[in-house]
Amino acid sequence: AQSVTQPDIHITVSEGASLELRCNYSYGATPYLFWYVQSPGQGLQLLLKYFSGDTLVQGIKGFEAEFKRSQSSFNLRKPSVHWSDAAEYFCAVGGTSYGKLTFGQGTILTVHP
Amino acid sequence: DAMVIQNPRYQVTQFGKPVTLSCSQTLNHNVMYWYQQKSSQAPKLLFHYYDKDFNNEADTPDNFQSRRPNTSFCFLDIRSPGLGDAAMYLCATSRDPLGEQYFGPGTRLTVT
Repeated sequence: AQSVTQPDIHITVSEGASLELRCNYSYGATPYLFWYVQSPGQGLQLLLKYFSGDTLVQGIKGFEAEFKRSQSSFNLRKPSVHWSDAAEYFCAVGGTSYGKLTFGQGTILTVHP
Repeated sequence: DAMVIQNPRYQVTQFGKPVTLSCSQTLNHNVMYWYQQKSSQAPKLLFHYYDKDFNNEADTPDNFQSRRPNTSFCFLDIRSPGLGDAAMYLCATSRDPLGEQYFGPGTRLTVT
């Protein structure tokens, strides 16, 4: 069965600081990996995805993520955080049989001015 | 703009009173999904349609049903809502089962 672990429930950073959100997955084959962001009371917006190829993936809003097969990780990074990045971030893994996404528990990001 | 639309955004229903949530899409995607997201939890897939083929998750309660009358619309029916069904319900679409999923803004369901 596929699963996702986001070890950090809540992270606080100062505006302008760098950010790394951790994601570890469990899946038997090469996974499809996603990062979504959710603002309070809103749906999920796709930040970036990894299907195959280059293991460093660029996304929207200046985010990037690196797929590391040996560590079963897909960590999200941003070099300089903006106050508008405050939200909840979900890592998800997709199966190859059909599009069932399994989400991690989410990481709430707070940005201090 | 092509998008996923959910109506209503907020729904209040009484314990045991049937309720229907609506999702429509202008993306012409083949797959439509319904997720349940309870407070401070991750979204959980209830079921999905691949064209007209309905796929129910094994642990989705029988109280939850879905209809997809055409490509653009998909409905979530809760036959007898309980207090534990209060949640955000998210609709998503994808071009095919392996494609990225596009989410609507969600419907917040309150059960009184």
